[in-house]
Amino acid sequence: DTEVTQTPKHLVMGMTNKKSLKCEQHMGHRAMYWYKQKAKKPPELMFVYSYEKLSINESVPSRFSPECPNSSLLNLHLHALQPEDSALYLCASSQGEFAGVGELFFGEGSRLTVL
Amino acid sequence: RKEVEQDPGPFNVPEGATVAFNCTYSNSASQSFFWYRQDCRKEPKLLMSVYSSGNEDGRFTAQLNRASQYISLLIRDSKLSDSATYLCVVNSGGYQKVTFGTGTKLQVIP
Repeated sequence: DTEVTQTPKHLVMGMTNKKSLKCEQHMGHRAMYWYKQKAKKPPELMFVYSYEKLSINESVPSRFSPECPNSSLLNLHLHALQPEDSALYLCASSQGEFAGVGELFFGEGSRLTVL
Repeated sequence: RKEVEQDPGPFNVPEGATVAFNCTYSNSASQSFFWYRQDCRKEPKLLMSVYSSGNEDGRFTAQLNRASQYISLLIRDSKLSDSATYLCVVNSGGYQKVTFGTGTKLQVIP
């Protein structure tokens, strides 16, 4: 079982809805990530939090709003999404603050459908 | 040219076969290389890191060729359970982030 927990596993929302994706890890990892993955495509980085501070935003539209309440939690707030935002949203964490140094631990993902 | 390129496959191989995947990267300054495995509708999981001297883990061998800027993954004695997509991952922009290749799909056939 993965040590990174994501909820909900599935989410269907309309374009006017506001929803949130949640991610939790209790491994004491220093960095947490949001990735977006479309079918048959690789994961694409969206945001990186290092020591609870946003360190990377890959020019993600403002309808996606990340939040890191503490070192174990990472949220992704969703508002006014478009159907093309439908995808698998993966949360990951790493022990070190840099993804390029060690293993990324992924959660099982939240599969989002925007109607 | 894409930062990280892989042959998407699929590679259909019989059980017991040996199969090899290559992955090319464009940034000559890259220092960290990994192979991840992703099963259908599951999350990616680290298979192995790739070291300059090459490394082996059971039936899996990874190698790095810096001169030609590619890494490889060799799987010996393929099992049905090896069927998955294998993602090549390379650090980019320093060590702060990594780039995933498009993945190579492997199907091991009975």
